[in-house]
Amino acid sequence: SQKIEQNSEALNIQEGKTATLTCNYTNYSPAYLQWYRQDPGRGPVFLLLIRENEKEKRKERLKVTFDTTLKQSLFHITASQPADSATYLCAFRRGYGGSQGNLIFGKGTKLSVKP
Amino acid sequence: DTGVSQNPRHKITKRGQNVTFRCDPISEHNRLYWYRQTLGQGPEFLTYFQNEAQLEKSRLLSDRFSAERPKGSFSTLEIQRTEQGDSAMYLCASSPTGTGGQTRGFYSGNTIYFGEGSWLTVV
Repeated sequence: SQKIEQNSEALNIQEGKTATLTCNYTNYSPAYLQWYRQDPGRGPVFLLLIRENEKEKRKERLKVTFDTTLKQSLFHITASQPADSATYLCAFRRGYGGSQGNLIFGKGTKLSVKP
Repeated sequence: DTGVSQNPRHKITKRGQNVTFRCDPISEHNRLYWYRQTLGQGPEFLTYFQNEAQLEKSRLLSDRFSAERPKGSFSTLEIQRTEQGDSAMYLCASSPTGTGGQTRGFYSGNTIYFGEGSWLTVV
């Protein structure tokens, strides 16, 4: 069955550095992959979506890459700030026949940015 | 606030009791989803509605769980005879119908918008 893994449970970096989070998946490549931010006790908030035919997507200080050969997506936050501290989740749609909201989520990586 | 609204935000109940959560989606969204999230895990899909029709159910949704969306607007998730293992955050999300068309036989993946969640603690 399709699986998704976020290799690091936690990532600690210094303010101003670039944070890089990894998401790996098994079996077939999904049509698209999404990244969400989740603050403690809150629901996930959508950040970026990247399609399988896109190598890279950017939004302000965020950058996502999608490598279907490596079966991996990387999520970068440049010039990180303490306010970026949160858990970041990657997700993709389960299968080809299901709804777009039937997403498989990774466990998330908790990012801590120290001032 | 025009986001997804969930009530109650927190619920503590005794094992064996029934609980019901309500979700009000974003008004123009006809798709509604329920997820469950436990500590240290990502959200897990439970079920999905398009308008009032329940189109998908996860095997996680045991017969003690029932979800409804009678008029295609708000939805309720009821858990009967709660167990300690039901303790989790129950997340509701909504999305509009995909307008991007289909590529290679599936949707292009519109964003889904989550509510703040309803925390359930079964004691």
